[in-house]
Amino acid sequence: NAGVTQTPKFQVLKTGQSMTLQCAQDMNHEYMSWYRQDPGMGLRLIHYSVGAGITDQGEVPNGYNVSRSTTEDFPLRLLSAAPSQTSVYFCASSYQTAGGYEQYFGPGTRLTVT
Amino acid sequence: DQQVKQNSPSLSVQEGRISILNCDYTNSMFDYFLWYKKYPAEGPTFLISISSIKDKNEDGRFTVFLNKSAKHLSLHIVPSQPGDSAVYFCGTQGGSEKLVFGKGTKLTVNP
Repeated sequence: NAGVTQTPKFQVLKTGQSMTLQCAQDMNHEYMSWYRQDPGMGLRLIHYSVGAGITDQGEVPNGYNVSRSTTEDFPLRLLSAAPSQTSVYFCASSYQTAGGYEQYFGPGTRLTVT
Repeated sequence: DQQVKQNSPSLSVQEGRISILNCDYTNSMFDYFLWYKKYPAEGPTFLISISSIKDKNEDGRFTVFLNKSAKHLSLHIVPSQPGDSAVYFCGTQGGSEKLVFGKGTKLTVNP
């Protein structure tokens, strides 16, 4: 299994450009999430999905869109990039254990918006 | 309003000694707590978890303690090793798949 894969690894955008960060998992997990990591801010939840066709907002959803048409894929779209969206983005998928949901993270996408 | 707080941005310990990382949470409805470890340029990896019905969970050198009355949990690493140097994130869940993290604590274990 490849686990959780993210593309691209690095991306530089100009302010106002749009792009899609790709995320795929091959573990048949129902739950997928997007986080961003910023210095001193930890991991903040952007959007998450409990299954194909169902998405919901996290802590910092503004400026991002998501969709979940298949179990495997959960792309994150930046509609009009802003310098404040410079960050490292992590996708995660999870399954339910006896006590909760154990999340598996991808390697991250480092995005710079100039 | 931050639901999960890790008040120590960094911690430095000597190899072989105990590392104690702390986490406080605000919502008593949280029922599952997890610790993740993150190395530079990698995604976070799951380390250990504890359910709210327990007060302790051990896995090798790692032990998590939960004090529900104080809304506090801690991760103990004994003995600490240089390979444990990483950023540790505390996360909580409240009956759903939505996982909220603290800001992280950077642990440095000196040889």
